[in-house]
Amino acid sequence: SQKIEQNSEALNIQEGKTATLTCNYTNYSPAYLQWYRQDPGRGPVFLLLIRENEKEKRKERLKVTFDTTLKQSLFHITASQPADSATYLCATNNAGNMLTFGGGTRLMVKP
Amino acid sequence: EPEVTQTPSHQVTQMGQEVILRCVPISNHLYFYWYRQILGQKVEFLVSFYNNEISEKSEIFDDQFSVERPDGSNFTLKIRSTKLEDSAMYFCASTAGVAEAFFGQGTRLTVV
Repeated sequence: SQKIEQNSEALNIQEGKTATLTCNYTNYSPAYLQWYRQDPGRGPVFLLLIRENEKEKRKERLKVTFDTTLKQSLFHITASQPADSATYLCATNNAGNMLTFGGGTRLMVKP
Repeated sequence: EPEVTQTPSHQVTQMGQEVILRCVPISNHLYFYWYRQILGQKVEFLVSFYNNEISEKSEIFDDQFSVERPDGSNFTLKIRSTKLEDSAMYFCASTAGVAEAFFGQGTRLTVV
């Protein structure tokens, strides 16, 4: 079965800098890779979806890349703000709609 | 903006009791899901539901779990005889297709 790995250590950055989070998967290349934001005690909130035939996707200050050779996705937040502090989850799905999640990386943006 | 709503937000139950967690998915969505998240761990898939039947389920979703869509709007998860290890956040989600999932705010289930 698919295994999704994210850096479990928190990422601390200064406001205004670019945050880069990594997601690696171990088995088959997923058809879709998604990123979600989760705040403490709340449900995941969808941010971006990228398909396996896409290299990059952007939405406002967010950018996602998908490298099927490296089996990796990078998630970037440019001009980060303290309000971006949260846990970011990577998830994959294929023909079935069920999502397989990574453990998430906590981002702390300091003013 | 449409949202998935879950009730109750917090449920405390005694071991061995039955609980029903309720969800109202987004109205024009076709696929419904339950996930759970044990404190400090990953969000884990339990079951998906489409066209009034289970389409996929994980190993966690054993005989003590069941799902139902009793009417046109509600989607429920029943745990027949709760165990201590069932304590977790349970999230309902819905999708229009193979696309982004919309999650509810969760029900925190505490089994004592």
